[in-house]
Formats: sequence, structure tokens, C-alpha cells
Amino acid sequence: GDSVTQMEGPVTLSEEAFLTINCTYTATGYPSLFWYVQYPGEGLQLLLKATKADDKGSNKGFEATYRKETTSFHLEKGSVQVSDSAVYFCALKRDTGFQKLVFGTGTRLLVSP
Amino acid sequence: NAGVTQTPKFRVLKTGQSMTLLCAQDMNHEYMYWYRQDPGMGLRLIHYSVGEGTTAKGEVPDGYNVSRLKKQNFLLGLESAAPSQTSVYFCASSSNRDLYEQYFGPGTRLTVT
Repeated sequence: GDSVTQMEGPVTLSEEAFLTINCTYTATGYPSLFWYVQYPGEGLQLLLKATKADDKGSNKGFEATYRKETTSFHLEKGSVQVSDSAVYFCALKRDTGFQKLVFGTGTRLLVSP
Repeated sequence: NAGVTQTPKFRVLKTGQSMTLLCAQDMNHEYMYWYRQDPGMGLRLIHYSVGEGTTAKGEVPDGYNVSRLKKQNFLLGLESAAPSQTSVYFCASSSNRDLYEQYFGPGTRLTVT
């Protein structure tokens, strides 16, 4: 079945460091891919998405490129801030009609000043 | 515009007790979902609904029941709570205009002793 694998955390960085959070997926066809972010004490919110191969999703300085050849959707940010500390979830949705989201286990990011 | 709201925010139950979690959305969304979030396991779908009066099982439906009598509300019931149901529960909703983005509520933290 469909699945999403994320790197284990926590990822600990200093402010202004470069961030990469790895995400790979297994799915048939051409799924859509997403990154959701969960700030402490809150629900998840969509950070960015990509719906086809080679698409790049971007938002709030974060980027991720849909790589079909490596089945990956790694999240990157050039310079993290303390306010980016959160849990990040990679997810996929198969593109055939109504389909549920499949989430990875989440990666906690801790950014220190 | 409140988005997705959940009540209660916190609850402690004794084993065998019952309770109902309420989710409400004011975005006229057709689809609604109940997830549970446990450490190291990401989000797992309990039940979902594709419209008023409909419900369907997700990954982990055992021990839970749901109802969607009104389009804006999705109720999750625990008939006889067990310690294994200690978790954080999230409700989400989405629209057929954009099946990609699920809007999440703030969560309910449930402890079963």
C-alpha cells in the first residue's frame, strides 16, 4: 500500500542554519505530495504542496521539489528561525478521485537562538 | 470564520466510561475526518465522512463510532474507553473544490486511566 517515510527527529539547528528534512514515498500512479506543519499545541496546517513530477512547492521560505525518479519530496529552507520550531509531516494523496491522505510519522524541528 | 473547532480540549476518562467528541466546521465542507495522533506513529485515520449522513472506516476504527447528522458536525464516540485510546484526537475537513487541503482543528487531548 501507499506509504510515506520521513527522517527521524528531532532535528536540532541554530538560527540561520540550512534545513533539510527528508521524505520519500511509495505509491502507485502519480500522487500529490504535501508538507504540513504543526506548531506546539495546534492542529496541522498545510505548508506547501506539489501535484506532479518536477513541481516545486514553496511557502514562507520553505521549498520542496517533487522528484518522481527518486520518489522524494524533501523539505528545505535556507535560513531557519526560532519560530520555525514545529513538527513537520510529509503526506501523499493518490490522484484518483477522492482519496485519503497518507501521513508520515512527522519530524520535530528545534531551532535555538 | 472559526474554521474547524473541537470540544472539549482536554478530557480524562476512567476505563469503561463513554464520551463524545464534537467537531464543527463553518466552511461548508463536504468531507470530514477524525484522526488520532500518537508519539512516533504520526496521524492515523479513524473514520471519515464524504457527506451528511455518510460515514466510513479508516485505518483504526475499532472502539470508535461516528455520526454526521448535520453537514457541519462530525461526532466521534467512545462507548467504553480503554487506556489504549489515550491520544490526541484531531478533526479535519476538506472540500471537493480542493481535495488536497485538509483544515485541522486544534485537537482534543484524551487520557484514559
